[in-house]
Amino acid sequence: QKEVEQNSGPLSVPEGAIASLNCTYSDRGSQSFFWYRQYSGKSPELIMSIYSNGDKEDGRFTAQLNKASQYVSLLIRDSQPSDSATYLCAVYSGNTPLVFGKGTRLSVIA
Amino acid sequence: AAGVIQSPRHLIKEKRETATLKCYPIPRHDTVYWYQQGPGQDPQFLISFYEKMQSDKGSIPDRFSAQQFSDYHSELNMSSLELGDSALYFCASSTRGRHEQFFGPGTRLTVL
Repeated sequence: QKEVEQNSGPLSVPEGAIASLNCTYSDRGSQSFFWYRQYSGKSPELIMSIYSNGDKEDGRFTAQLNKASQYVSLLIRDSQPSDSATYLCAVYSGNTPLVFGKGTRLSVIA
Repeated sequence: AAGVIQSPRHLIKEKRETATLKCYPIPRHDTVYWYQQGPGQDPQFLISFYEKMQSDKGSIPDRFSAQQFSDYHSELNMSSLELGDSALYFCASSTRGRHEQFFGPGTRLTVL
């Protein structure tokens, strides 16, 4: 059973701070890792993809992958109230659809 | 950029009725996925199609069926609807070999 674990939160950070979201996965053969943002009642929106160990930056977002530790994280710099949403970690392990974590609810306090 | 289109956006049905949800993938995407998301839940994978053939099957009830057509759009057919089928239904699309999935806006199904 392939599993993706996330802390459900809520994670509360003040506006302007760095929000750090974490995700662990069980399948060591996992190949691709994604972060989706989902506002309440809306569809998941892909915000980051990462495929190799290390950091990948895109604007205020940085994804970090450590395959040895089976760990992937998302950092949001200069957090804004509009970043308040549920962040879903998703993992692709080959020959199966994405496996989603249950999501971390982020609340950015103005 | 073109996105995934789903219709209808909202649907209200009575118990035991049938419903058909439609999904139009991003142009040149050949793989379609269907998900069900209940309140406070993560998306649950139902079924996927690649090049009009079923490629994976998840927790799709036997009362549901789906297919992908020659123009790559997909339909999810739901019969004998139950109260518990009330949820958001998302379609996502991708291209084979790239595992990023792009989600449509969803169909909110309410079963009364």
